[in-house]
Amino acid sequence: RKEVEQDPGPFNVPEGATVAFNCTYSNSASQSFFWYRQDCRKEPKLLMSVYSSGNEDGRFTAQLNRASQYISLLIRDSKLSDSATYLCVVKDTGRRALTFGSGTRLQVQP
Amino acid sequence: DAGITQSPRHKVTETGTPVTLRCHQTENHRYMYWYRQDPGHGLRLIHYSYGVKDTDKGEVSDGYSVSRSKTEDFLLTLESATSSQTSVYFCAIRPGTGDSPLHFGNGTRLTVT
Repeated sequence: RKEVEQDPGPFNVPEGATVAFNCTYSNSASQSFFWYRQDCRKEPKLLMSVYSSGNEDGRFTAQLNRASQYISLLIRDSKLSDSATYLCVVKDTGRRALTFGSGTRLQVQP
Repeated sequence: DAGITQSPRHKVTETGTPVTLRCHQTENHRYMYWYRQDPGHGLRLIHYSYGVKDTDKGEVSDGYSVSRSKTEDFLLTLESATSSQTSVYFCAIRPGTGDSPLHFGNGTRLTVT
């Protein structure tokens, strides 16, 4: 079983739609969680950290469910510019390295 | 943007030749990482460093070595390049404090023919 798993998609949604991605992680000791965005042939860029109480940044909302070991990303009012691959990233307690999911591809259509 | 520069940006080399990729940072961050990214595999950790001369292996370290003689530079060497090492290589940095996220360089696209 992979340490961090994501549905690869693609998720094809119309502009203005709300879309949500989940990411599951296998290590219950994981302590830090992030969502990154990656555009085609570019480097991943930090979208947002995920806090235990959930957090929001504009149209983006991240949630953490420790009991079920997953994090989620909700995008409201999707824009064409939101089309990208979204990577889930987890850091485990005591480890120096971070583990990436394979990413979920989102395509927002006009 | 975090001050990370990778060089070269693109390289084509032949099987069996040595190749060195360079990552340079101006942030004075403690941690530096090398990842490779391939279709269907996502980002996989090759090696990382937690200080000058302190390095450790990641999940796909075979065929790669690294060196960090200065805080700002982290070198990735393919001793004898193989076609399976054709990939996009990303360097990333992270401060040594807390659970801070990674910041990535622009990547190096390596083709081994």
